[in-house]
Amino acid sequence: SYELTQPLSVSVALGQTASITCGGDNIGNKKVHWYQQKPAQAPVLVIYRDDNRPSAIPEGFSASNSGNKATLTINRVQAGDEADYYCHVWDGRTASFGGGTKLTVL
Amino acid sequence: QVQLQESGPGLVKPSETLTLTCGVSGYSISSDYSWAWIRQPPGKGLEWIGSIYHRETTYYNPSLTRPVTMSLDASKNQVSLRLNSVTAADTAVYYCARHLGVQWFPFDMWGQGTMVIVSS
Repeated sequence: SYELTQPLSVSVALGQTASITCGGDNIGNKKVHWYQQKPAQAPVLVIYRDDNRPSAIPEGFSASNSGNKATLTINRVQAGDEADYYCHVWDGRTASFGGGTKLTVL
Repeated sequence: QVQLQESGPGLVKPSETLTLTCGVSGYSISSDYSWAWIRQPPGKGLEWIGSIYHRETTYYNPSLTRPVTMSLDASKNQVSLRLNSVTAADTAVYYCARHLGVQWFPFDMWGQGTMVIVSS
C-alpha cells in the first residue's frame, strides 16, 4: 500500500505559523486531503484536493503539494487549532492515511 | 442536513462476528456518494477499511488480514459492515464517512463513531 509519512508532533507558539508535512513517493502526482481531529471527536475535513478549503474552515488554513511532500500550513495559530492532523490520498482504489501529527500550541 | 450515525454492540467476544450499521439521514444512500468505513484503535491513527458504492460495488483495504463485507440497505437508508472472527486487534472506534469517489475525493462527512471493544 502507498505509504504516507508525517512527523509525530509539531509545536508552535500561539499566533505563529505551523507547518505539518506529509511525505510520499511522488505525492505531487496525487490529490491530498487533510483532516483535523480533536480529542474524542470525529475527523473534520480542513483541506481537499491539495489546496482547497471547505467554506466552514477558517482562512488561516492552507496547503500545498509538490514533488515528494505535501504541506498543511496554519497561520496565526489559535489554541483551538491544537489537534491531530492527518493527510489522506487515494492510490488507485485504496485510501491511505498518514500516521497523524499532533499539533501542540505553546 | 446530512447526518451519519454509527451503531454497534459495543463489546464483542474474540472469534465472534462484528456487525456495525451506519444510518444516513438527509441523503439517499442510493445516490451518487460512496460510503466508507474507517477505524481508529485507541491512541492510534486512522485506517480505511473499505468503501461501497450505490450499485453494491465494493473495494476493500488490501492490507486487511481478514475479509470484510459491506452492504447497503436502501429501505433503511443504512450501510453495514461485517467483520468475522474478530480479535483484540479489532478494538477501535469505527467511523462511517461519505465520499464522491476515488482519486480526487475526500471523506467530506463523518459520523461520530462507535467504540468496539473485543474482549472475553
